[in-house]
Amino acid sequence: RKEVEQDPGPFNVPEGATVAFNCTYSNSASQSFFWYRQDCRKEPKLLMSVYSSGNEDGRFTAQLNRASQYISLLIRDSKLSDSATYLCVVSLDFGNEKLTFGTGTRLTIIP
Amino acid sequence: DAGVTQSPTHLIKTRGQHVTLRCSPISGHKSVSWYQQVLGQGPQFIFQYYEKEERGRGNFPDRFSARQFPNYSSELNVNALLLGDSALYLCASSTWTNEKLFFGSGTQLSVL
Repeated sequence: RKEVEQDPGPFNVPEGATVAFNCTYSNSASQSFFWYRQDCRKEPKLLMSVYSSGNEDGRFTAQLNRASQYISLLIRDSKLSDSATYLCVVSLDFGNEKLTFGTGTRLTIIP
Repeated sequence: DAGVTQSPTHLIKTRGQHVTLRCSPISGHKSVSWYQQVLGQGPQFIFQYYEKEERGRGNFPDRFSARQFPNYSSELNVNALLLGDSALYLCASSTWTNEKLFFGSGTQLSVL
């Protein structure tokens, strides 16, 4: 079983729609959780950290369910610029070291 | 301010050769990590260095080694290259306690 599992997609979504990504992780001792965004042929960039209480940043909402070992990302009112690969990331540490990445979910926003 | 810089950007090698990849972290960042990203996969952790000491190692063979210099820059060395080493090698820097990890644009290594 992979340490971090994501649906690879691709997700093709019309502009303005809401899209949700899910991710599961296998190690219950994991302490830190993130969503990264990676544009084609570019480096990954931190989109947001994920907390048990849930957190929101503009159109983006992330949720963590420790009991189910499940992480989600919701994008509302999707924009063309949201087209990218979204990587679910987990760490056993409280910081950002030794990150374990999922394979990523590719999202394309259609005009 | 300059971000994380990596060199070279692209590299072509043949099987059995060795390669050295270089990384300069963001000014003030003392932690450097290396990741390997094979096409279609997420990045995979190779090494993490802090204050010139290895603080973490991923599941990679001994052909992979790294070091960090007094100015906090870092080198990743890979010996006896295999076709399967073809990947994007990403360097990331951070402060020890800051949760944001900054990645460089990577070195694309092709092994023929």
